[in-house]
Amino acid sequence: NSKVIQTPRYLVKGQGQKAKMRCIPEKGHPVVFWYQQNKNNEFKFLINFQNQEVLQQIDMTEKRFSAECPSNSPCSLEIQSSEAGDSALYLCASSGDIYAEQFFGPGTRLTVL
Amino acid sequence: GDSVTQKEGLVTLTEGLPVMLNCTYQTIYSNAFLFWYVHYLNESPRLLLKSSTDNKRTEHQGFHATLHKSSSSFHLQKSSAQLSDSALYYCALSGASSSFSKLVFGQGTSLSVVP
Repeated sequence: NSKVIQTPRYLVKGQGQKAKMRCIPEKGHPVVFWYQQNKNNEFKFLINFQNQEVLQQIDMTEKRFSAECPSNSPCSLEIQSSEAGDSALYLCASSGDIYAEQFFGPGTRLTVL
Repeated sequence: GDSVTQKEGLVTLTEGLPVMLNCTYQTIYSNAFLFWYVHYLNESPRLLLKSSTDNKRTEHQGFHATLHKSSSSFHLQKSSAQLSDSALYYCALSGASSSFSKLVFGQGTSLSVVP
């Protein structure tokens, strides 16, 4: 069973507000991924980190999203100015396996009103 | 870029019948990993199967799949569907040659098993 912890489980924001969610990866996993699962259940990769460094990120993430994984603190994903289209389930996953298996948390469901 | 296709968006089966969920993929990487994840409502997606070995059957919890690189397929099968198998199933690909690559997911197949 996955031991990735995500908080909060539910988040409701108004348009233009900041939305911040956190993730604690499995102990010993150096790599953290963030995915967005939209209302059609489609997964979109957002960003990943190895320790504190960004490995890959998509354009959307570069512009309105900020993310970090400080040492000895939870990782976080923050939307600077929420839009209705950001309403989705945000899933954090971690990996410690060079064969790329990822373990997912339960997600933060963001609703932007 | 890498892509994964799951043709069926919704599959409805009667309990006891065999399950087959289709997955095909495209990647330039010869050592790509293919995965099946299962996602139950309000739970974490969890790994069901994974493979990178051509023509080798992999099994877990009654499900099995064989990676066929010649046809770029990794179909999920089970001999007899159970009511508890009702969930979202995702085929995913990790294609990059380096470790810790992002997963590219298919569109997902919602499996509904009815009595």
